[in-house]
Amino acid sequence: DAMVIQNPRYQVTQFGKPVTLSCSQTLNHNVMYWYQQKSSQAPKLLFHYYDKDFNNEADTPDNFQSRRPNTSFCFLDIRSPGLGDAAMYLCATSTVTAGGLETQYFGPGTRLLVL
Amino acid sequence: DAKTTQPNSMESNEEEPVHLPCNHSTISGTDYIHWYRQLPSQGPEYVIHGLTSNVNNRMASLAIAEDRKSSTLILHRATLRDAAVYYCILRDPVRGSNYKLTFGKGTLLTVNP
Repeated sequence: DAMVIQNPRYQVTQFGKPVTLSCSQTLNHNVMYWYQQKSSQAPKLLFHYYDKDFNNEADTPDNFQSRRPNTSFCFLDIRSPGLGDAAMYLCATSTVTAGGLETQYFGPGTRLLVL
Repeated sequence: DAKTTQPNSMESNEEEPVHLPCNHSTISGTDYIHWYRQLPSQGPEYVIHGLTSNVNNRMASLAIAEDRKSSTLILHRATLRDAAVYYCILRDPVRGSNYKLTFGKGTLLTVNP
């Protein structure tokens, strides 16, 4: 089945130690998103790629970066994780349609714990 | 940006219909009403969307008020697997600030056996 895959499902890192989260998709969608979801809160968009074009949300901290080496893969890099960055990180994909009403398909998320 | 208001939580019994309300009094003419849900420990998943007319799919029905200031997601027969947070989201298909999915707090639906 075509899907959005996130690895690992759980990631533990140390305060200040860079960490990378991975997302891959078999849907061949041209848009990929990264959301942050803290405990008991709604998902919040960090940034997205429209093909190779990177679109950062205005309030996304500089500590968060992303790479998309090809259509299938997208990475979230947290340069110096703080305790406040502990959250579920959700990857999603979509494909732009003529009507602009594309559905977003989400992966299962990676839960990040910062010690 | 147009915002939505949903009850924090609702409760239902298994096999009974569930009506999840959403208020969006400042909706614009080009905003579509989208519903996503998030099951425990999973990413959100698309449920349904509509503009003016009521919509049905295999998961649910969407009833939209004539003035479009409110809508209701209808699960015809709730199952335990429908227990989730349901998000009502307004989205403009024209790429702009309101194009993206902006999640509100949603409604936590509990389904009792």
